[in-house]
Amino acid sequence: AQSVAQPEDQVNVAEGNPLTVKCTYSVSGNPYLFWYVQYPNRGLQFLLKYITGDNLVKGSYGFEAEFNKSQTSFHLKKPSALVSDSALYFCAVRDTGSGGYQKVTFGIGTKLQVIP
Amino acid sequence: GAVVSQHPSWVICKSGTSVKIECRSLDFQATTMFWYRQFPKQSLMLMATSNEGSKATYEQGVEKDKFLINHASLTLSTLTVTSAHPEDSSFYICSATGTENSPLHFGNGTRLTVT
Repeated sequence: AQSVAQPEDQVNVAEGNPLTVKCTYSVSGNPYLFWYVQYPNRGLQFLLKYITGDNLVKGSYGFEAEFNKSQTSFHLKKPSALVSDSALYFCAVRDTGSGGYQKVTFGIGTKLQVIP
Repeated sequence: GAVVSQHPSWVICKSGTSVKIECRSLDFQATTMFWYRQFPKQSLMLMATSNEGSKATYEQGVEKDKFLINHASLTLSTLTVTSAHPEDSSFYICSATGTENSPLHFGNGTRLTVT
């Protein structure tokens, strides 16, 4: 079975400071990892993904994430936070060893609050 | 980028009536579409997976006769909440993907309120 953990319900960061939103995962095979952002009463928007290759993945809006296989982590980062980054962030994983490609498991979400 | 349109964005209905929600992929062919339900301050709960031309696969605990899913074409899937009750009030989100390694593309969600 695959699972995702986002250990922080909320992360507060001052505008201009670097931010990190944590994610760890558990899969039986190799993971496909994703980050999504959700604004109030909206669907999720794709930020970035890790499939294979470089462990540091760059995505939309200046976000990046680092895949760490030994720590089974895929933390989301941004060098300088903006107030407009305030939203709900979801980490997601698909287990390539699960057979069939469809099912993606989402974490519970982390609310990011950027303080002006 | 890939766009998924979900309609309506919000709907209010009376208990006992049925509501249909549409999910369309506008610029790509969605071989697989997913329907989720999201409760306040909670993650997305996968309700069902639908592939074009075949019956949807429902997650455990989801009533297939209550939540009817039709994926009639590569660009359209519908979710019908039948005989809605107040406990069905929720935020429903669809997503679609075209290929195995592609990310999911989400609709903007439908806020359903059953009175």
